[in-house]
Amino acid sequence: DAGVIQSPRHEVTEMGQEVTLRCKPISGHDYLFWYRQTMMRGLELLIYFNNNVPIDDSGMPEDRFSAKMPNASFSTLKIQPSEPRDSAVYFCASSLTPGQGLDNTIYFGEGSWLTVV
Amino acid sequence: AQKVTQAQTEISVVEKEDVTLDCVYETRDTTYYLFWYKQPPSGELVFLIRRNSFDEQNEISGRYSWNFQKSTSSFNFTITASQVVDSAVYFCALRDTGRRALTFGSGTRLQVQP
Repeated sequence: DAGVIQSPRHEVTEMGQEVTLRCKPISGHDYLFWYRQTMMRGLELLIYFNNNVPIDDSGMPEDRFSAKMPNASFSTLKIQPSEPRDSAVYFCASSLTPGQGLDNTIYFGEGSWLTVV
Repeated sequence: AQKVTQAQTEISVVEKEDVTLDCVYETRDTTYYLFWYKQPPSGELVFLIRRNSFDEQNEISGRYSWNFQKSTSSFNFTITASQVVDSAVYFCALRDTGRRALTFGSGTRLQVQP
């Protein structure tokens, strides 16, 4: 079975440019998460969706960040304009709903490594 | 609020030694799930184990074992006869019904020397 698929795997961009990260969750999963990992802050939740609806975006750093989930099989995280401090690994993850006797493990994609110069 | 504490920042052992990674969690929920993930040098997050709050049975999988104790809010991970390939950062994480996302600990970097 295909896991969570993220693209691009690596991106180097100049400050001020728009960056779009993409994610395809595991088929049938109804939760989708975006996490960011940096040395200073570790793994932090940016936003998560349930059935394509954003539930908690309190981790989104500022208005420069936006995320969408137009359908059950696709999500984007956009940074506009990008800044050097946005350099990080961005992980997308997905899962089933917990508490239903199903495997509610949150599975992660391989990450998108973003460098803003 | 949810919180996961991994007090050990870095552990270094020699191959074939046993090593235990500690994890302490906080949650107000009675139903919750605990996880361990491994992040090797290549950077991906690899799922290792999930434990439900209502199942305190310890688990062994090959050289890996997990000790879940609700009384002390701990979910410790032991690697027996460590190998160089076990070198990675290990994250403990909590998912409860109040916050459906994972709350991660800060991670423990394990270095296994040959």
